[in-house]
Amino acid sequence: EAQVTQNPRYLITVTGKKLTVTCSQNMNHEYMSWYRQDPGLGLRQIYYSMNVEVTDKGDVPEGYKVSRKEKRNFPLILESPSPNQTSLYFCASSFNSPVSGANVLTFGAGSRLTVL
Amino acid sequence: GQSLEQPSEVTAVEGAIVQINCTYQTSGFYGLSWYQQHDGGAPTFLSYNALDGLEETGRFSSFLSRSDSYGYLLLQELQMKDSASYFCAVLPNAGKSTFGDGTTLTVKP
Repeated sequence: EAQVTQNPRYLITVTGKKLTVTCSQNMNHEYMSWYRQDPGLGLRQIYYSMNVEVTDKGDVPEGYKVSRKEKRNFPLILESPSPNQTSLYFCASSFNSPVSGANVLTFGAGSRLTVL
Repeated sequence: GQSLEQPSEVTAVEGAIVQINCTYQTSGFYGLSWYQQHDGGAPTFLSYNALDGLEETGRFSSFLSRSDSYGYLLLQELQMKDSASYFCAVLPNAGKSTFGDGTTLTVKP
């Protein structure tokens, strides 16, 4: 089944304790991206990757790191989490059309993170 | 930067037609996408417009006017299961995407 898999789905942690949220896709998509969603708001893009070893900042990259060493994986790293990073996180992937861009996103089920 | 505006809530009855509007400001433009999200679950792709005009996919259609920086999602023959949040998203370049804050659609019997 074609899918984007995120882990963990739920996590409660404390301020300053490094954590990694993994994301893996099995559709051979070039493009992957991370978003956060806060209550009443849309998804805000954190980082995206057009292909292996190519990453770029989205609208809210502060406090986050990413890496793209393999095509299928795009982990999100919070080096020193703070309470304002408490949010619902979504990973997404897409083929990257030279004409349309990454226009059809497949999302993972989401990871709900609480930082105390 | 990019910004999008869409209504926060829309209510309609089963079987009706509803239109969700989206206006945007963007520094570049690849296209406008629409996504559906049920109760904080994974958003799912509905439609994409890169050129002016109407795109139809079953009961859902999406329209774009690039000159007006405006698009809409049209849902026909509404069903209870269509109650969800709907997001428009603009792609200013091939990789960036900016989402609106979403429209909560409530379908009543």
